[in-house]
Amino acid sequence: NAGVMQNPRHLVRRRGQEARLRCSPMKGHSHVYWYRQLPEEGLKFMVYLQKENIIDESGMPKERFSAEFPKEGPSILRIQQVVRGDSAAYFCASSPRQGATVYEQYFGPGTRLTVT
Amino acid sequence: SQKIEQNSEALNIQEGKTATLTCNYTNYSPAYLQWYRQDPGRGPVFLLLIRENEKEKRKERLKVTFDTTLKQSLFHITASQPADSATYLCALDIGSSNTGKLIFGQGTTLQVKP
Repeated sequence: NAGVMQNPRHLVRRRGQEARLRCSPMKGHSHVYWYRQLPEEGLKFMVYLQKENIIDESGMPKERFSAEFPKEGPSILRIQQVVRGDSAAYFCASSPRQGATVYEQYFGPGTRLTVT
Repeated sequence: SQKIEQNSEALNIQEGKTATLTCNYTNYSPAYLQWYRQDPGRGPVFLLLIRENEKEKRKERLKVTFDTTLKQSLFHITASQPADSATYLCALDIGSSNTGKLIFGQGTTLQVKP
């Protein structure tokens, strides 16, 4: 059973360009979470999605950032008009959560975004 | 707002000793708490989950305690090995109805010397 997959692993963008980060959850997992880790800082929650639904986006910046998890295909985190402050490691996690039962989260290897 | 604090200084111990890491939290009453391990350049890896009604949980050489009165969790690694060297993160679910919206501590870096 393959783990959480993220691509690309490294992404370099110039200021003003768009960045698209992809995440394929573990097989059988329908809950996806995105986190951001800035240099020398901890992991920060960004958004929680289920298939075709955004459940909680309270950690997402109000502008330029969006996320989706379509019925088919990977979850996408999209950053428009990137700025240097967006440089960070972006991690995706998936969970087999069902109903009110709590499960641990399985993290991908991350995408390291560098904005030049 | 909710806050989690872990020992910010690195913990250096000798191989074979027990490592004890601390996680304190404020302004929240979590239903459960999780511990993860993160190696440089990699994603966190889940280690243990402990619920509010559990005082202690064990998995092989790992032990976690959860004191909801003190608002503190302790993470122990017994008979530590150099391969245990990593950053250890504690996390709380602050989402309504335990949605999995985790907040993480800054992490404590453990270095086990042979």
